[in-house]
Amino acid sequence: QVQLVESGGGLVKPGGSLRLSCAASGFTFSDYYMSWIRQAPGKGLEWVSCISSSGSTIYYADSVKGRFTISRDNAKNSLYLQMNSLRAEDTAVYYCARDIQLYAWGQGTLVTVSS
Amino acid sequence: DVVMTQSPLSLPVTLGQPASISCRSSQSLVYSDGNTYLNWFQQRPGQSPRRLIYKVSKRDSGVPDRFSGSGSGTDFTLKISRVEAEDVAVYYCMQGTHWPRTFGQGTKVEIK
Repeated sequence: QVQLVESGGGLVKPGGSLRLSCAASGFTFSDYYMSWIRQAPGKGLEWVSCISSSGSTIYYADSVKGRFTISRDNAKNSLYLQMNSLRAEDTAVYYCARDIQLYAWGQGTLVTVSS
Repeated sequence: DVVMTQSPLSLPVTLGQPASISCRSSQSLVYSDGNTYLNWFQQRPGQSPRRLIYKVSKRDSGVPDRFSGSGSGTDFTLKISRVEAEDVAVYYCMQGTHWPRTFGQGTKVEIK
């Protein structure tokens, strides 16, 4: 079955950087768009970014454009989110999800931006 | 951006009774291929979200048939025919037609 496992979260100071990873299994990773979604503590869901199966097409939410970079390595069945210039408002659980309609989700990884 | 508006935001329900959640979009969700990409997600306490419904009314594998989706254009509904204890969760609609993707605020279903 589809399995998505995020990692790389942690505590980082404002202005700092972090790289999240999502390891995929149970499906042909290179066939699917992949997405990142986040959820601030006690809040709703916010779509962050999406990348096509080949990596040639990428979309970002305005709130992260220019600061976050989504990428993938199909040989490693892995999805990434490079987060730079982090702000307090980026504090959230970050989920990866399969395809553009978010068929399956990982368990999430918590990113805390605080001094 | 397309604004998704859910109502109500809180829904106390008696076990065994029906529940209904409305989701309205600020623009039509009909895509150029003729499909309407409106999804419903369930997030139980302490868990990741899980997709229940895609393309307005199609249930994902393993989703009980007491869950149903309906609607068209800009007006959509998620119905639970008979609420069970395991249905206590926050439910989100999400439009998958326009970029950026956008979610509703969430509707918290609880037992009276």
